[in-house]
Order: sequence, then structure tokens, then C-alpha cells
Amino acid sequence: EIVLTQSPGTLSLSPGERATLSCRASQSISSSFLAWYQQKPGQAPRLLIYGASSSATGIPDRFSGSGSGTDFTLTISRLEPEDFAVYYCQQYGSSPRTFGQGTKVEIK
Amino acid sequence: QVVETGGGLIQPGGSLRLSCAASGFFVSSNYMSWVRQAPGKGLEWVSVIYSAGSTYYADSVKGRFTISRDKSKNTVFLQMNSLRAEDTAMYYCARDLAGYMDVWGKGTTVTVSS
Repeated sequence: EIVLTQSPGTLSLSPGERATLSCRASQSISSSFLAWYQQKPGQAPRLLIYGASSSATGIPDRFSGSGSGTDFTLTISRLEPEDFAVYYCQQYGSSPRTFGQGTKVEIK
Repeated sequence: QVVETGGGLIQPGGSLRLSCAASGFFVSSNYMSWVRQAPGKGLEWVSVIYSAGSTYYADSVKGRFTISRDKSKNTVFLQMNSLRAEDTAMYYCARDLAGYMDVWGKGTTVTVSS
């Protein structure tokens, strides 16, 4: 199975700053079948990005995804207070679907 | 939306059936997945049922869990047998768009403990 490694584990930033989250795969992900989710405490995950760079419905344009092959990035251009959460990447190019371990974005 | 029910406290070796009732779309026309999250841990995909009826499972639950659906009730089920302490988690149901999940329920908690 494809193992996804997210870095850093925790990102400490201030509102207004730019956040760059990394997701590295143990092997190439076909057709950029990679998604990103946001999860806040006590809530279900929320889809942000699919196909590595396509935004889900209703997602603010400060969230963007990029990458291909084994290296993918989620960028939050300017952090809003509601963006402090845990972010997961997930691949669906190979069975089984697998998730990264998550990156926590916390207020500095 | 989707709403999960059926979680609870169960002894090791026991069985539980989770339900996921959908509204606004038909489960039989979509892929539907179960994803779980152990306390304080990350997300783990558990199982998927395709619109054509094929089913797939994570190795950790293969042979113990069964996913199914009832078209008339627009509901998906997860039958969990031979439960272990490591199955303790929040179980989420989600609409699966051929791999990524766009509609998630709030989850139902399963605790396996004696």
C-alpha cells in the first residue's frame, strides 16, 4: 500500500501568515489522485482539495493544492482564525485508499 | 447528508452493526465508504461499496467486517464481528466519489472494552 508522510507534524503560525503543508508518497500516485481534508476538534473531516489541485465546492480560494508523482503541497495563502485545524492528505490512485498522519496548524 | 447510528460499548469478540442513512442522494448510485478514527489518532479507511455492488476492505478488518446497503432505505451498513480493542474508534460514513470523500457524517462511536 502507498504510505503518505506529512510534514511538518505541527505548524505554528500567526493569522495572516502563509501555511505550506507537505505530503510525500512512498510511490508515485497515479493521475494525481490526491485529496486534502481539514478536521477541527469534535468535527468530521471536510474535503478541501481533490485531484491534487481542484477545489471542492465552497472552499475559499486561499486554499490551494499542487504537486504530482510523490510530492504534494497544500498552501493556505493567508491564515484566518478558522483555519487552525488538522489537515490530512489521502491518496486514491491505488488500493487501499490511505491517509497521511496529519499536520496540525496551530496558533503561534 | 449522511447520519451514522449504531455505535456503542461492546465487549471484545462481540458484534455491532452500524447504519448510515443518506438524504439528498442515492447510496445505490454512489460509492460509499466507512472511515474510522481511533481516539487521538488519524484517519483510517475501512471499507467501500461501489455502485455496482463490489465491496473492498482494509486488511485490518477483512474477514470480520461486512459492508452492505439497502436501496429501499437509502442506507449503508457496516456489520462488525469479532470486535477487538483496536477497533475502538469514531466511525464515519462518507460518500466516496471514486476515491475521495465529499460528504461526511458526524460519526458514531464504537468502544470495544470488557
